[in-house]
Amino acid sequence: EDQVTQSPEALRLQEGESSSLNCSYTVSGLRGLFWYRQDPGKGPEFLFTLYSAGEEKEKERLKATLTKKESFLHITAPKPEDSATYLCAAQETGGGNKLTFGTGTQLKVEL
Amino acid sequence: NAGVTQTPKFRVLKTGQSMTLLCAQDMNHEYMYWYRQDPGMGLRLIHYSVGEGTTAKGEVPDGYNVSRLKKQNFLLGLESAAPSQTSVYFCASSWDGRGFDYEQYFGPGTRLTVT
Repeated sequence: EDQVTQSPEALRLQEGESSSLNCSYTVSGLRGLFWYRQDPGKGPEFLFTLYSAGEEKEKERLKATLTKKESFLHITAPKPEDSATYLCAAQETGGGNKLTFGTGTQLKVEL
Repeated sequence: NAGVTQTPKFRVLKTGQSMTLLCAQDMNHEYMYWYRQDPGMGLRLIHYSVGEGTTAKGEVPDGYNVSRLKKQNFLLGLESAAPSQTSVYFCASSWDGRGFDYEQYFGPGTRLTVT
């Protein structure tokens, strides 16, 4: 059974204090690893897709990396507007492009 | 483009009542999905569709039915609502992957309370 585990469940950072969020996954054949951002009361917003171990993608203060068992979302010099819940999801090869989601990391960035 | 829209945004039902949630997308996506999101459980797939006229079960399909009569619309039905179906429901859509990336685009959600 596919599993996606995210840690920590919650993270509180000071503005400018860099950190990383972890996503470990167990899927029979990984097609892609996805990162989403979700603000309270909103739907998830797509951030990145990673397809193979060693791949990295960046967007502003965020950088996502992928290994054979884990993905990391690195947040460099975060700002209060980066506060949100970050979700990762694994997509296995096979029909339907279905995603298995982790439960998310709730990030709070304070001044 | 509006992207993915959901109707209604909020709804309160009594146990045993029925309702239909509507999802519409204007991106010409082949695939559409219904998820529910509960605290501590993450997003769980209810049903999905790989094209007009097709539907398939996801992880938690019991108590729900779906229909995809038009490519741009995906309906989620609750025939006899139960308190366990209190949740936030999200619709998503994606390309089929051939020549495109696989990411799913989500709607704003419907918050459903069953009393």
